[in-house]
Amino acid sequence: SQQGEEDPQALSIQEGENATMNCSYKTSINNLQWYRQNSGRGLVHLILIRSNEREKHSGRLRVTLDTSKKSSSLLITASRAADTASYFCATDANTGNQFYFGTGTSLTVIP
Amino acid sequence: SAVISQKPSRDICQRGTSLTIQCQVDSQVTMMFWYRQQPGQSLTLIATANQGSEATYESGFVIDKFPISRPNLTFSTLTVSNMSPEDSSIYLCSVLGGTDTQYFGPGTRLTVL
Repeated sequence: SQQGEEDPQALSIQEGENATMNCSYKTSINNLQWYRQNSGRGLVHLILIRSNEREKHSGRLRVTLDTSKKSSSLLITASRAADTASYFCATDANTGNQFYFGTGTSLTVIP
Repeated sequence: SAVISQKPSRDICQRGTSLTIQCQVDSQVTMMFWYRQQPGQSLTLIATANQGSEATYESGFVIDKFPISRPNLTFSTLTVSNMSPEDSSIYLCSVLGGTDTQYFGPGTRLTVL
């Protein structure tokens, strides 16, 4: 079952602007991961953040995790048209290695 | 990271028929997973496939409808049985990497008429 919810469902920004997506989940977790999916294609792993971490960076990506609020955010800085995709968070629900995906955010970056 | 391939990449099938999707990994992995992504939706976990044991199905998914094989540590199949238009989805396999990261195959786009 899906464990997470993301907002906004859709986001449209101009190239060069920053994009922030939020993910909320319901149960305790070990890890939370963010993925990107270009239209109709497979998922690309972006970043993993563990429950004992609060922030991670990878290039133009910044992920935060607040376990007390059961929420995470993904920030993409200086967005590019190529960042246009759907972004999903996935959590492991602290019960095993199965991952459950959020509802996703559809990001459109306008050149 | 793991490189995963799936066959077929897409198919159009008649209702009532079955389709078997293959997933091949370039390295040995213990855990493989099958997901379904219905049009415009997120991913839903169907089952976990471990080599040497029966697959573990999530709530709402049953073995008769989605039988899974896992004959070795690099290969798995998912069969979508007695298909109906509601089964039209993208089906993705994934594996768990050494750093707790899941890597995904490119997906199989299934359309049932």
